[in-house]
Amino acid sequence: AQKVTQAQTEISVVEKEDVTLDCVYETRDTTYYLFWYKQPPSGELVFLIRRNSFDEQNEISGRYSWNFQKSTSSFNFTITASQVVDSAVYFCALSEAISNTGNQFYFGTGTSLTVIP
Amino acid sequence: DTGVSQNPRHKITKRGQNVTFRCDPISEHNRLYWYRQTLGQGPEFLTYFQNEAQLEKSRLLSDRFSAERPKGSFSTLEIQRTEQGDSAMYLCASSLAWGQPQHFGDGTRLSIL
Repeated sequence: AQKVTQAQTEISVVEKEDVTLDCVYETRDTTYYLFWYKQPPSGELVFLIRRNSFDEQNEISGRYSWNFQKSTSSFNFTITASQVVDSAVYFCALSEAISNTGNQFYFGTGTSLTVIP
Repeated sequence: DTGVSQNPRHKITKRGQNVTFRCDPISEHNRLYWYRQTLGQGPEFLTYFQNEAQLEKSRLLSDRFSAERPKGSFSTLEIQRTEQGDSAMYLCASSLAWGQPQHFGDGTRLSIL
């Protein structure tokens, strides 16, 4: 079973619009971390944000904000006032505490965001 | 912080040939991971090193794949007798500890002719 599900395959927004990327995860572990990464056309995965399972406080960092809800196993990511440079594929990832694989990251299939000028 | 470095960036080879990729992690990171990414998919875990010890391998890693991390510094991933299905982006990542972000290299794109 997929541990991380990103149901949105592609999203297009017009510049300056807000956009929310959805992520649903599955784990039996009570201790875990969730991450969002950005992969621009150049290919390198860039770390954006991290959240641990014990901290459900939602935060804002610049134009980025996230909504972590354990009750629905969701970790959604919002970009406010989108810009063309935000165009990329965004990946949600889960890392569990109990692991025999070095706490590998389980990635979703990604959401391709296109910001139209 | 020079980041994670991977070489080569691209590798084109004929089916049946052997290929080797190199990863230089961030120097103070003792954890090193290899992932494989195909088009339209997220990265999939292949193997993990803590220092020089290879502690886990995915079922995705067939016997044709071998990885090393001598002296706990750089790592190499070798694929023997390459097959068409090996065509993918091979990503290396390193981190300091669990819960810390994994930092990824630019990847090596492998194309099998």
